[in-house]
Amino acid sequence: DARVTQTPRHKVTEMGQEVTMRCQPILGHNTVFWYRQTMMQGLELLAYFRNRAPLDDSGMPKDRFSAEMPDATLATLKIQPSEPRDSAVYFCASGFGQGSYNEQFFGPGTRLTVL
Amino acid sequence: KQEVTQIPAALSVPEGENLVLNCSFTDSAIYNLQWFRQDPGKGLTSLLLIQSSQREQTSGRLNASLDKSSGRSTLYIAASQPGDSATYLCAVRPGNTPLVFGKGTRLSVIA
Repeated sequence: DARVTQTPRHKVTEMGQEVTMRCQPILGHNTVFWYRQTMMQGLELLAYFRNRAPLDDSGMPKDRFSAEMPDATLATLKIQPSEPRDSAVYFCASGFGQGSYNEQFFGPGTRLTVL
Repeated sequence: KQEVTQIPAALSVPEGENLVLNCSFTDSAIYNLQWFRQDPGKGLTSLLLIQSSQREQTSGRLNASLDKSSGRSTLYIAASQPGDSATYLCAVRPGNTPLVFGKGTRLSVIA
């Protein structure tokens, strides 16, 4: 049963600490997305990769957020230093293809709380 | 800039009713439109994907329609059940770019 996995599922940390979230896309998918969901803003795109290359990270606060794909089976999203306003659920999604038939599949999310 | 709006924000219906969820988008130049379901504390599950050349897609009790020229899509749920209670999100793909999401409709089906 192919699915996107994310770790950790929950993270509570103190302001100023580094947070690393990990995502394993569905095997064979070539596009990976990071989203953040809050009650106020809904789902916002933070960054996405195609064939491991970053295509757009304009949704991320560059001074504290970074996203990478060390290999095709792992995507990471790092926040350093974390702030209370970063508290949200972070979703990873993956898909395949470049054209209009690119359906996205979402992971279960990482619920981050920054105290 | 593409914007997606979903109305209503919340909906409560008795079990067995047929219902329609609405989605509108500002730019009709889209590749496709996708409907998702999100249960509390969970991720998004893809329900239906409609390509820009299609008018509708069906899966079981769900039917999604797309009117690209008017910037609208509807998700029709037949014979609603308590298990259908969730938040339903609409998202459009404006070209070879990531999805743009609406804020969702929170559906409650009362037994």
